[in-house]
Amino acid sequence: GNSVTQMEGPVTLSEEAFLTINCTYTATGYPSLFWYVQYPGEGLQLLLKATKADDKGSNKGFEATYRKETTSFHLEKGSVQVSDSAVYFCALSSGAGSYQLTFGKGTKLSVIP
Amino acid sequence: DADVTQTPRNRITKTGKRIMLECSQTKGHDRMYWYRQDPGLGLRLIYYSFDVKDINKGEISDGYSVSRQAQAKFSLSLESAIPNQTALYFCATSDPTSGAANEQFFGPGTRLTVL
Repeated sequence: GNSVTQMEGPVTLSEEAFLTINCTYTATGYPSLFWYVQYPGEGLQLLLKATKADDKGSNKGFEATYRKETTSFHLEKGSVQVSDSAVYFCALSSGAGSYQLTFGKGTKLSVIP
Repeated sequence: DADVTQTPRNRITKTGKRIMLECSQTKGHDRMYWYRQDPGLGLRLIYYSFDVKDINKGEISDGYSVSRQAQAKFSLSLESAIPNQTALYFCATSDPTSGAANEQFFGPGTRLTVL
């Protein structure tokens, strides 16, 4: 079956530090990959996505590249801000026609001034 | 206005009570989902619906039931609430015509506490 493994948190960084949150996956076929973000007290919002190998998703300074050879989709940001403090979820969908998202357990990021 | 709304946002109830959580959407999507979120476990799928007449169990459906009253409305019921159903519940929608990606759009969540 499908599964997503992401690095456990919590992660605490100083403002302007570099962020990497690792995500690896197991899936059949050719999944689409997502990063969702959950700010305190809110629902999940799509942060970025990639639908095929070597695609790079990007949004709000965050990037992730779909690496089929390593089955990874690591989230990166060059300079984090306090406002980036949130829980980040990696997820996959098993391609066209699939109904289900499989989520990782989430990584809580705290950015301190 | 929010595209996916959930009511109530917070609810405290007692063991054995019947509880209904409601979800409405204005996105015009056919597919709707109910998830629960527990600390350290991510999101797990409870039920999903492809249209008004198509409802399916997800990963953790025991103790829950759903009703798809219309394309825009999808309700989750706990027939007899128990304390381990204390969690954050999310409704989501998706559009099956959106191509290869199954991007889902989430409501703000309902925090349910069962005493």
